Amino acid sequence: DTAVSQTPKYLVTQMGNDKSIKCEQNLGHDTMYWYKQDSKKFLKIMFSYNNKELIINETVPNRFSPKSPDKAHLNLHINSLELGDSAVYFCASSQRDQETQYFGPGTRLLVL
Amino acid sequence: SQQGEEDPQALSIQEGENATMNCSYKTSINNLQWYRQNSGRGLVHLILIRSNEREKHSGRLRVTLDTSKKSSSLLITASRAADTASYFCAIVSGTYKYIFGTGTRLKVLA
Repeated sequence: DTAVSQTPKYLVTQMGNDKSIKCEQNLGHDTMYWYKQDSKKFLKIMFSYNNKELIINETVPNRFSPKSPDKAHLNLHINSLELGDSAVYFCASSQRDQETQYFGPGTRLLVL
Repeated sequence: SQQGEEDPQALSIQEGENATMNCSYKTSINNLQWYRQNSGRGLVHLILIRSNEREKHSGRLRVTLDTSKKSSSLLITASRAADTASYFCAIVSGTYKYIFGTGTRLKVLA
């Protein structure tokens, strides 16, 4: 059983399009996260979210928005995609803030 | 930058040798975590060490933390080809503040 799953695994799209990446965790965790990993493998947190609070990294463009239909899901919606958005996006979860994180397999986004 | 700095950036060793990688940081921390990432995969948690701890072990892994020097090291003993991966430290310095290092790419030659 996959603890943290993401769909799709690969996403190729044109500039200007809007796309979503889905994330689900079956660990019963309270907190979920989105990360962006660039071509140099640098991993940067984008959002942290529990059922009460959304913490946004101030460097993230407002074209990116997390949406959580329930505690087990945190989807990432991206408007007006740009070339620089090409990266691998990882979802993660933890039982509580500052504890061990469990990562999904990643979504490889390529913007043409 | 609060980003963790890891060294070396890349390390190549023979199977059976020990591998040591280091992480330095600039801020105070609540805990420090080490993760492994195999090529094309997500990160997998290895060890969490809290700011009041100095050393932790898990199987062939040993992590040390020196808060006075703001540094941590990960030692993998008796390395195996399957240990080939990138290793990242994550500095947890406050609420929802996970800051990942630049990573060390380890290659273990059979």
